[in-house]
Amino acid sequence: GAVVSQHPSWVICKSGTSVKIECRSLDFQATTMFWYRQFPKQSLMLMATSNEGSKATYEQGVEKDKFLINHASLTLSTLTVTSAHPEDSSFYICSADGHLPTNTEAFFGQGTRLTVV
Amino acid sequence: LAKTTQPISMDSYEGQEVNITCSHNNIATNDYITWYQQFPSQGPRFIIQGYKTKVTNEVASLFIPADRKSSTLSLPRVSLSDTAVYYCLVRTNAGKSTFGDGTTLTVKP
Repeated sequence: GAVVSQHPSWVICKSGTSVKIECRSLDFQATTMFWYRQFPKQSLMLMATSNEGSKATYEQGVEKDKFLINHASLTLSTLTVTSAHPEDSSFYICSADGHLPTNTEAFFGQGTRLTVV
Repeated sequence: LAKTTQPISMDSYEGQEVNITCSHNNIATNDYITWYQQFPSQGPRFIIQGYKTKVTNEVASLFIPADRKSSTLSLPRVSLSDTAVYYCLVRTNAGKSTFGDGTTLTVKP
């Protein structure tokens, strides 16, 4: 099946620094990718829709200047958490649409655990 | 986006069949129903997807009534390793999905 890979799997950073998380579709092209955030014992919350070659669409309440999304190619989207603070510590997950002929399921990455100290 | 409602938790025993029902009253005509499994600190893993009636694959079955306002995920003969959170999603043509609270399934020996 299609594979979506995130890097890094976990990262610890100091408060005030920026962190970039990569999401790659390994064996298919994804014109659309989605970024989610998940706090402990909670569900996934959609943050934004990443569109190749255009600006991302952010969900209500998500600061676009804090969570920078770049989707420069059909296989890579990046999420940069700028000026990270401890409250940004969370599990970040991306997904990509499988634009296969008969497949409409979304494939999820393995997630990135961000800890801001 | 259609909101989904599932039981918060369910308990079962090894070898039993488990059925988890999800309500999605506001599902749109072109929406698909998809179920995912998530283990702690991992991304969701696709289980099954359907549009209407019944879909079966090697791990589960999905039953969708004619009005499509609900769906039931059926896991045959669960094992301890099936202990996880199960999410029911309604997915639009644009691929956008909203996760509900999920169902925490605990399988006991």
